Amino acid sequence: GAVVSQHPSWVICKSGTSVKIECRSLDFQATTMFWYRQFPKQSLMLMATSNEGSKATYEQGVEKDKFLINHASLTLSTLTVTSAHPEDSSFYICSAGGQSSNYEQYFGPGTRLTVT
Amino acid sequence: DAKTTQPPSMDCAEGRAANLPCNHSTISGNEYVYWYRQIHSQGPQYIIHGLKNNETNEMASLIITEDRKSSTLILPHATLRDTAVYYCIVRVAGSGYALNFGKGTSLLVTP
Repeated sequence: GAVVSQHPSWVICKSGTSVKIECRSLDFQATTMFWYRQFPKQSLMLMATSNEGSKATYEQGVEKDKFLINHASLTLSTLTVTSAHPEDSSFYICSAGGQSSNYEQYFGPGTRLTVT
Repeated sequence: DAKTTQPPSMDCAEGRAANLPCNHSTISGNEYVYWYRQIHSQGPQYIIHGLKNNETNEMASLIITEDRKSSTLILPHATLRDTAVYYCIVRVAGSGYALNFGKGTSLLVTP
């Protein structure tokens, strides 16, 4: 199956700083990428949808100025958590899909963010 | 997207078949049934999907009832590595559509 990577796999940062998470489709071109967030013992919650070359579409309740998403190429999307606070600590997961993945979505391994 | 209902948890003995049910009584004609699983602290893994016919791949089998209101994921010979949360999701096919994760079924495979 198609492979999606995320970097870093875990990160610890201080409150008030910004953190960038990368999501890459390694062996296919991803026209669409999704970002999810998962708090402990909860299910995945969709944060935003990004299409290559377009502005991301955010779900209700997700602050677009706080969670900056860039999808500048068919193999890379980035999520930047700006001015992070402890309540932003979570497991962030991306998924990607496109014609060359047979239009199915494949998930990255996730990034564990801890804000101290 | 249509909603799904799954039991919160199930147990299965190693080597036996694990049958995970899912109800999706409001599924639309163009919606597929997808199954993903998430092993602790990892990203979800695609298992299988289908529209109305039964499907089988190297991981599992998917049985969809004739009225499409329910389905069963079958892991024919469960191993300890199959312990995970299994999500049944119904949606229109295509990578442009997000997956709406419910609470899933936590499957515990025991020795």
